Amino acid sequence: TAGITQAPTSQILAAGRSMTLRCTQDMRHNAMYWYRQDLGLGLRLIHYSNTAGTTGKGEVPDGYSVSRANTDDFPLTLASAVPSQTSVYFCASSEKESNEQFFGPGTRLTVL
Amino acid sequence: GQNIDQPTEMTATEGAIVQINCTYQTSGFNGLFWYQQHAGEAPTFLSYNVLDGLEEKGRFSSFLSRSKGYSYLLLKELQMKDSASYLCAPRDSNYQLIWGAGTKLIIKP
Repeated sequence: TAGITQAPTSQILAAGRSMTLRCTQDMRHNAMYWYRQDLGLGLRLIHYSNTAGTTGKGEVPDGYSVSRANTDDFPLTLASAVPSQTSVYFCASSEKESNEQFFGPGTRLTVL
Repeated sequence: GQNIDQPTEMTATEGAIVQINCTYQTSGFNGLFWYQQHAGEAPTFLSYNVLDGLEEKGRFSSFLSRSKGYSYLLLKELQMKDSASYLCAPRDSNYQLIWGAGTKLIIKP
């Protein structure tokens, strides 16, 4: 079982370009999450989805959008990247919002 | 506001015991999670407390006092592979996890 996968592993992106970070889970979990992790800071929630077809904003949603067309996939899109979006991005899922979260391996994004 | 306080870094000796403390303030409370994160890797789930008291799981134990807004993670018989960051994450009334910056634990031989 793959669990939860993310792609790409890392990416260097020019400022102003758009980018979609992919996240797929095969655990049939209802809830999915996108976090960013910056040095010295805790994980910060960008967007979440408690079930397919619904999404919600987290602590730092500006500049990011998500969709949840099905249970397995939860892509994160940066419409016009800025250097402050340089970070490590983690996707996570949980069976339901009250359960522990399982994390993907992360995407290291550098915006120049 | 919501706030998590953990020591930034701790050092311990292989074979010893270490306690990592976490104090928190959240809007409502629905349990507290501890995660382990090795450098360059994803966080992995260690423990969950929702009621006051101690939860033991092998070499790791976690304690919660809801009235004091306090939790600790106790690691026994430390091994070199326990060198990692330990993240405290209480869950608020909206079932969102509020993450601390983590405690980097360095194990020395």
